[in-house]
Amino acid sequence: DQQVKQNSPSLSVQEGRISILNCDYTNSMFDYFLWYKKYPAEGPTFLISISSIKDKNEDGRFTVFLNKSAKHLSLHIVPSQPGDSAVYFCAASEAGNTGKLIFGQGTTLQVKP
Amino acid sequence: DAGITQSPRYKITETGRQVTLMCHQTWSHSYMFWYRQDLGHGLRLIYYSAAADITDKGEVPDGYVVSRSKTENFPLTLESATRSQTSVYFCASSENKYSPLHFGNGTRLTVT
Repeated sequence: DQQVKQNSPSLSVQEGRISILNCDYTNSMFDYFLWYKKYPAEGPTFLISISSIKDKNEDGRFTVFLNKSAKHLSLHIVPSQPGDSAVYFCAASEAGNTGKLIFGQGTTLQVKP
Repeated sequence: DAGITQSPRYKITETGRQVTLMCHQTWSHSYMFWYRQDLGHGLRLIYYSAAADITDKGEVPDGYVVSRSKTENFPLTLESATRSQTSVYFCASSENKYSPLHFGNGTRLTVT
């Protein structure tokens, strides 16, 4: 049973527009959420995180929104750039313990010039 | 260079063979992890270690063995490889259990 789901396997957007990547979770005990970005032939790299005490966290062009009642989080990238083309994974953990992260399946983002 | 390195990058082995994937980090991070990445499943935790000589199972530990005699090394052994273990394996480390993970570049393992 997938506790963290990214229901869109892929997303294509035009350069300069907004990219919105979505993630749903089922475990109400999750209280810390992270987004990772992965380029081909490389390992995932940490992008941004959010604690359940917040509903928004921003870092430059990247903003993560958390809707606890809907058990939903989203990553907004504004403006999108071709270099953002990658696979994006959301991950969740209980008690902020990144020692047991549960990852979603990933969404492949393509940003077209 | 400082960081986390995995070896080999690519490995082909036969069913039933033992194979060991290596992971080395230079940050002296306490926590180390092994994940596998499969299409449709994302990343799944195999084993993790909170410190030298302390290891624990993750979501999918069956068929794998780990050890951690030194803080910087965390090898993953497939004792008798099966085709279902064909995957990309990622090692990761973190400073503590509340820090984001830093991943290596992966080992692509094919079991024939």
